[in-house]
Amino acid sequence: GAVVSQHPSWVICKSGTSVKIECRSLDFQATTMFWYRQFPKQSLMLMATSNEGSKATYEQGVEKDKFLINHASLTLSTLTVTSAHPEDSSFYICSAPFPDTGELFFGEGSRLTVL
Amino acid sequence: SQQGEEDPQALSIQEGENATMNCSYKTSINNLQWYRQNSGRGLVHLILIRSNEREKHSGRLRVTLDTSKKSSSLLITASRAADTASYFCATRIKGGNTPLVFGKGTRLSVIA
Repeated sequence: GAVVSQHPSWVICKSGTSVKIECRSLDFQATTMFWYRQFPKQSLMLMATSNEGSKATYEQGVEKDKFLINHASLTLSTLTVTSAHPEDSSFYICSAPFPDTGELFFGEGSRLTVL
Repeated sequence: SQQGEEDPQALSIQEGENATMNCSYKTSINNLQWYRQNSGRGLVHLILIRSNEREKHSGRLRVTLDTSKKSSSLLITASRAADTASYFCATRIKGGNTPLVFGKGTRLSVIA
């Protein structure tokens, strides 16, 4: 099946720093990608929809200035957590729909720990 | 917004027993999917059932869908210790470039 790759798979950073997470569709083009956040022992919550060549659409309650999303190419979307704080520590997962079928493929996730 | 609600939130059974998890959702859907997630890991897609389907099987998995009640169930038969994981239902209101909306999940523990 199609592959979606995330990088890094885990990252530890100091409070106040910014962290970038990449989501790549390796063998297909994705005009849209979805970013989810998952806190420990909770479900996945949709944060935003990334759109190639245009602004991302954020879900209610998600700060767009805090979580910067860039979808600069048809195979890459990035999520930057700016001025990260311990409460931003979470598991971030992206997904991308396969063209034509629309089947969603998920990345392996990126675990962010902010000290 | 959270679409699905699973119950139970946690389930503990003995190896060999069957495990049943239920999911309810709020709006009309195009399809409903079930995923498994081992602790701290990514998602594993288990099965997809379309809105015009009522039941689907895959190996030891059986999924039902009742659109009139807006509910689905996942049955795992003859459970194994390796089935220990969190299970999530996720709905999609239509195809194309629309996201999946996940339920709260059920944490299944299968005791050997």
